[in-house]
Amino acid sequence: GQNIDQPTEMTATEGAIVQINCTYQTSGFNGLFWYQQHAGEAPTFLSYNVLDGLEEKGRFSSFLSRSKGYSYLLLKELQMKDSASYLCAVEMGATNKLIFGTGTLLAVQP
Amino acid sequence: KAGVTQTPRYLIKTRGQQVTLSCSPISGHRSVSWYQQTPGQGLQFLFEYFSETQRNKGNFPGRFSGRQFSNSRSEMNVSTLELGDSALYLCASSLSGSSNYGYTFGSGTRLTVV
Repeated sequence: GQNIDQPTEMTATEGAIVQINCTYQTSGFNGLFWYQQHAGEAPTFLSYNVLDGLEEKGRFSSFLSRSKGYSYLLLKELQMKDSASYLCAVEMGATNKLIFGTGTLLAVQP
Repeated sequence: KAGVTQTPRYLIKTRGQQVTLSCSPISGHRSVSWYQQTPGQGLQFLFEYFSETQRNKGNFPGRFSGRQFSNSRSEMNVSTLELGDSALYLCASSLSGSSNYGYTFGSGTRLTVV
């Protein structure tokens, strides 16, 4: 079966750094996406990793280890607007469909 | 460019009824995928359409169906509604349905079944 795990909730302080982990066990793997979703809004694309290593985009970075079935999203210099759900999704190779984790609800406190 | 448009935004239906949701993808995008989002299960893949053909299907009962028109707009239909069908239904638009071009989500249709 397909299994993607991420923490349900996390809390962090404005200005700090937070790391959101995602582990996966899937049959077939094209790549791994991270999406941000504010309450009542559409998920928006943050990053896509295909190869092992770190991808950096401004305050957001994403890491992938295919051999370990592990990824993380790193958010630096946290802002209040970063309070949202962060969704980890694996793109399945054979079907081009996304398998999502249940999401991590991040609360940024002053 | 215009984003992915889903209509209606909110819907309340009674058990046993049927419902049709609409998704207009980004202009030029030919792939539309549908997902169901619930608090306990997260986003779950329903199906994907490309050039009017269903290419992929998730593990949902036959009450869930869809179609895609020649202009790439897609509709999703749920018949004989159950309370458990209450969810946010999201569609995602892509050029070809692959990571090479990314997936853009609409804001969803929130369906409540009473």
